[in-house]
Amino acid sequence: DSGVTQTPKHLITATGQRVTLRCSPRSGDLSVYWYQQSLDQGLQFLIQYYNGEERAKGNILERFSAQQFPDLHSELNLSSLELGDSALYFCASSVGGQGAYEQYFGPGTRLTVT
Amino acid sequence: EDQVTQSPEALRLQEGESSSLNCSYTVSGLRGLFWYRQDPGKGPEFLFTLYSAGEEKEKERLKATLTKKESFLHITAPKPEDSATYLCAVQAGSNYKLTFGKGTLLTVNP
Repeated sequence: DSGVTQTPKHLITATGQRVTLRCSPRSGDLSVYWYQQSLDQGLQFLIQYYNGEERAKGNILERFSAQQFPDLHSELNLSSLELGDSALYFCASSVGGQGAYEQYFGPGTRLTVT
Repeated sequence: EDQVTQSPEALRLQEGESSSLNCSYTVSGLRGLFWYRQDPGKGPEFLFTLYSAGEEKEKERLKATLTKKESFLHITAPKPEDSATYLCAVQAGSNYKLTFGKGTLLTVNP
């Protein structure tokens, strides 16, 4: 158990809908990262927050957004969902926002868009 | 752009048959190289961080090494429970994201 929690574990929804994925980092960690894992693309970085502020962006679609709240939990919002958005979404956390800190991953949310 | 290539894509071993997995990388300003283990449908589990060429780290049957262009994950006398996908990732430059390779799927037969 990494100490990172994610809810829900599974999510099935229809195209065009909007969903929210939730992540709680390990105690003491200030950085939260979101990754998408699909069979063909592997693990892809989406976005990073550090202590409530956006720190880095990857190949995140405009339909996707995220935020980190004062209690450090984070939410990833996915809207106007398409079939291709079906994937595993992972949240990771690390203690700092600078330096080569290892990231600890949560169990993931499996999103299926039908 | 940071690039990470892992080989082989899949490796099948007999229990006790030692081998190595390769991770080659092209980055500007390596901050750290990370190895993770991932079981099907689970989140990646952190194994090692390597910071500079020549560094080595060990944990049970696993040993990770780093050169300026690649890293190896050596598996000594593997057991069936070592079966998993092993992922390599780099952190470089001013980015704190991890760039992952596609992974090596290791199967250890009893």
